[in-house]
Amino acid sequence: KQEVTQIPAALSVPEGENLVLNCSFTDSAIYNLQWFRQDPGKGLTSLLLIQSSQREQTSGRLNASLDKSSGRSTLYIAASQPGDSATYLCAVTMNTGFQKLVFGTGTRLLVSP
Amino acid sequence: EPEVTQTPSHQVTQMGQEVILRCVPISNHLYFYWYRQILGQKVEFLVSFYNNEISEKSEIFDDQFSVERPDGSNFTLKIRSTKLEDSAMYFCASSQRLQNTGELFFGEGSRLTVL
Repeated sequence: KQEVTQIPAALSVPEGENLVLNCSFTDSAIYNLQWFRQDPGKGLTSLLLIQSSQREQTSGRLNASLDKSSGRSTLYIAASQPGDSATYLCAVTMNTGFQKLVFGTGTRLLVSP
Repeated sequence: EPEVTQTPSHQVTQMGQEVILRCVPISNHLYFYWYRQILGQKVEFLVSFYNNEISEKSEIFDDQFSVERPDGSNFTLKIRSTKLEDSAMYFCASSQRLQNTGELFFGEGSRLTVL
C-alpha cells in the first residue's frame, strides 16, 4: 500500500529565504506526482505536476524535482514571501487505477515578514 | 479561468439525516472525483466517476454513499444517513484526461458538520 510522507510537518522562515519541502513515497510505481497548496479552510490549488518520466518542473519561484527510484520529491521555493504561507501537499498517482491520488501529510509553511 | 465549484460551502446536519453535496466540474472535463479531509488528517480518495459510472471507489465509500451526474453539468455526492464520523471537508475534483497529463483540479470544498 502506497504511503506518502512529508517532512518537515511545519516550517517557519523569514521572508526572502529559499526553502525546500520534502515528500517521500514507499512504492516507486507511480504515474505522476502533484504538488498542491492549501490555504486554511480552503480547497487545493495545483502547483506543479511531474510525470514519472520527468525529473523536474518549474513554475515561477517554484521548482519541483522527482527521483522516482528513490521515492522522493522536493519542492523548492525561492525568495519566499508571506503570501506563500499555506500547507503544501504532495500526492502521487499509481500506475493502476483511475487517477486516484494518494496524499501526503502536508507541510505547514509560515513565512514571516 | 475555469474552476470547479461546490455547494454548499458549509452544511450542518443531524446524525441520521441525508445530505447531498453538489459540484459543477470544469465543463470539458470527463473524469470526476470526490475526496474528503477529516480535520487534521490526510486528504483521502472516496470515488472516481467516468462515463456515467463509478470507475473506482475506496473502502470508505460504503453503501451509505452514492454519486450521480443527474444532468450535463452537476456531479453530486449523497450520504444517505449521516454519522458523526462523516464530519469532514468534502472536495470535488475533475480532470480532462485519465492519465496523459493527470492534473486534477479541485473545488473549494464543502464542510459537513454532523451533530
